[in-house]
Amino acid sequence: DAKTTQPTSMDCAEGRAANLPCNHSTISGNEYVYWYRQIHSQGPQYIIHGLKNNETNEMASLIITEDRKSSTLILPHATLRDTAVYYCIVRGDLTGNQFYFGTGTSLTVIP
Amino acid sequence: GAVVSQHPSWVICKSGTSVKIECRSLDFQATTMFWYRQFPKQSLMLMATSNEGSKATYEQGVEKDKFLINHASLTLSTLTVTSAHPEDSSFYICSARVAGSPGSYNSPLHFGNGTRLTVT
Repeated sequence: DAKTTQPTSMDCAEGRAANLPCNHSTISGNEYVYWYRQIHSQGPQYIIHGLKNNETNEMASLIITEDRKSSTLILPHATLRDTAVYYCIVRGDLTGNQFYFGTGTSLTVIP
Repeated sequence: GAVVSQHPSWVICKSGTSVKIECRSLDFQATTMFWYRQFPKQSLMLMATSNEGSKATYEQGVEKDKFLINHASLTLSTLTVTSAHPEDSSFYICSARVAGSPGSYNSPLHFGNGTRLTVT
């Protein structure tokens, strides 16, 4: 089971911030939130992950709500190359070794 | 770092033949690798978990005799699609996690670039 819910699709203007939400209301205390993206006909690319604190790296920021039931991936300045399907995955050591993918959000960055 | 290489990137085979796909972790060791399958316009579906030196664990509904997995070393796992049929045509993707370091269990998976299998 994917355990996450994401909007099917979103558009974002080039140069603007893209905010991608993810609902994981059944997350348990030791489960991490991971974000990946997949550009057509390629393998998924790791973006960022976190447990409860907000995280930032060179690609994106991850904002996790205090109750950890949802999170938002932020691409601060979207470019056309950010057009992809973005997957939010929840996983922890008590829920097994595997990463299960949900349906993801298809982000289209518009010129 | 943490590069996963898959080979071949695409393959066309005739119905009834077998096809082997290789997955290598190039700059790290991976005690566990994962195999996924993705049909057009669908998400990735986990097929099996490949464990170095032991038998793979298959997801429900995945035929272990059809999709043979061998994880003979810490850097190589192979998936063999036996007696392939047109319905096996799909995008096969492997992934691996860096093994052994503290906290590595929660470290992210790194994915290969996939193998496009077409069975005619």
